[in-house]
Amino acid sequence: KNEVEQSPQNLTAQEGEFITINCSYSVGISALHWLQQHPGGGIVSLFMLSSGKKKHGRLIATINIQEKHSSLHITASHPRDSAVYICAALATEYGNKLVFGAGTILRVKS
Amino acid sequence: GAGVSQSPSNKVTEKGKDVELRCDPISGHTALYWYRQSLGQGLEFLIYFQGNSAPDKSGLPSDRFSAERTGGSVSTLTIQRTQQEDSAVYLCASSLTQLGTDTQYFGPGTRLTVL
Repeated sequence: KNEVEQSPQNLTAQEGEFITINCSYSVGISALHWLQQHPGGGIVSLFMLSSGKKKHGRLIATINIQEKHSSLHITASHPRDSAVYICAALATEYGNKLVFGAGTILRVKS
Repeated sequence: GAGVSQSPSNKVTEKGKDVELRCDPISGHTALYWYRQSLGQGLEFLIYFQGNSAPDKSGLPSDRFSAERTGGSVSTLTIQRTQQEDSAVYLCASSLTQLGTDTQYFGPGTRLTVL
């Protein structure tokens, strides 16, 4: 069992739809990162959170420490949101190193 | 430069040869990380440099892999006697402080292909 699991693995949505990507982890963490990777492009850090909720534009990230679960939401999705979204846990038992989920491939159709 | 840079962007080598991959972190960032992303697999941690402390090498897959960071800035990842399974994108990231909770800024990666 992977220590950081994401769902779904693949997601296709219509432009304008509300999107949710889930991340569950089994390790103790000091923070959780959401990253975005465009095809052929680099990785961008979207959020880093250790509690509650953060919002940036159309993106919202939430975390529930007790349930060891985080979600990334995209409101009013757009084709330019198409990318791989990666959840990464800053694992305290590994000396605060990032443990990555497998990623969710999102495609938003116009 | 404004961001993390890596060179080369692509490297094709023959099995058994040594390769060096370079990372220039954001100026002033004290922490530097190397990750690997193999085809069809997720990212995995390789090595972490934290200021002047000894690096955390716990993610290096074998003793063919080594890395150094000179003068607290540029880092080089060296793979000796490359194997086909070393083919991957090697990503470097840096963060401002040594705190594990700081935002990491990723470079564009070096795509390594071992024939």
